[in-house]
Amino acid sequence: KNQVEQSPQSLIILEGKNCTLQCNYTVSPFSNLRWYKQDTGRGPVSLTIMTFSENTKSNGRYTATLDADTKQSSLHITASQLSDSASYICVVSALLRSGGGADGLTFGKGTHLIIQP
Amino acid sequence: EAGVTQFPSHSVIEKGQTVTLRCDPISGHDNLYWYRRVMGKEIKFLLHFVKESKQDESGMPNNRFLAERTGGTYSTLKVQPAELEDSGVYFCASSALPLRVTGDRQETQYFGPGTRLLVL
Repeated sequence: KNQVEQSPQSLIILEGKNCTLQCNYTVSPFSNLRWYKQDTGRGPVSLTIMTFSENTKSNGRYTATLDADTKQSSLHITASQLSDSASYICVVSALLRSGGGADGLTFGKGTHLIIQP
Repeated sequence: EAGVTQFPSHSVIEKGQTVTLRCDPISGHDNLYWYRRVMGKEIKFLLHFVKESKQDESGMPNNRFLAERTGGTYSTLKVQPAELEDSGVYFCASSALPLRVTGDRQETQYFGPGTRLLVL
């Protein structure tokens, strides 16, 4: 069964600090991995998309890494800002219709990040 | 460019009533997806439209759910009759091309703000 596990479930850090969120998956065959940011009351917004051949991708202060061998990904946030407070969702796509929805996506439950001033 | 919009933003209904959710995708996006997030759980796929056709509705929980996309523009998701377990946040998303990756093409999917449904 395709699964995406995220840790920690929630995290509180001070403004200006860095943090790293983790994502482990068992989706196979792997196609790509996406990180989304979801602000309270809003829909998820895409941060990064990585395929099998990519092991790192940045979007501003967000840097995602991917280790396809260990089936792990991380999202590193540098110099956190109050606006970074949100849920961060890891989504893994299967190459074929082998699991997840017909879109091939398996979602994690997300990490709820709170930035304190 | 307007993003994906959903209406209503919130809906509170009693068990047994009917509710219709609406989604307007980004203009020109042929692919429209419905998802649902039940409290404490992850987001799960419901169905996928390509233009006006249902590409796959394997995620629809039961026949109380009916989705339509007449004309290939906006879509509606009707729940009739609603049950307590239908409570959750219903997201709509759209993309220009299907999400399946071929080669290194990575299609971005755009989500709407969601409709928060509470069935009492």
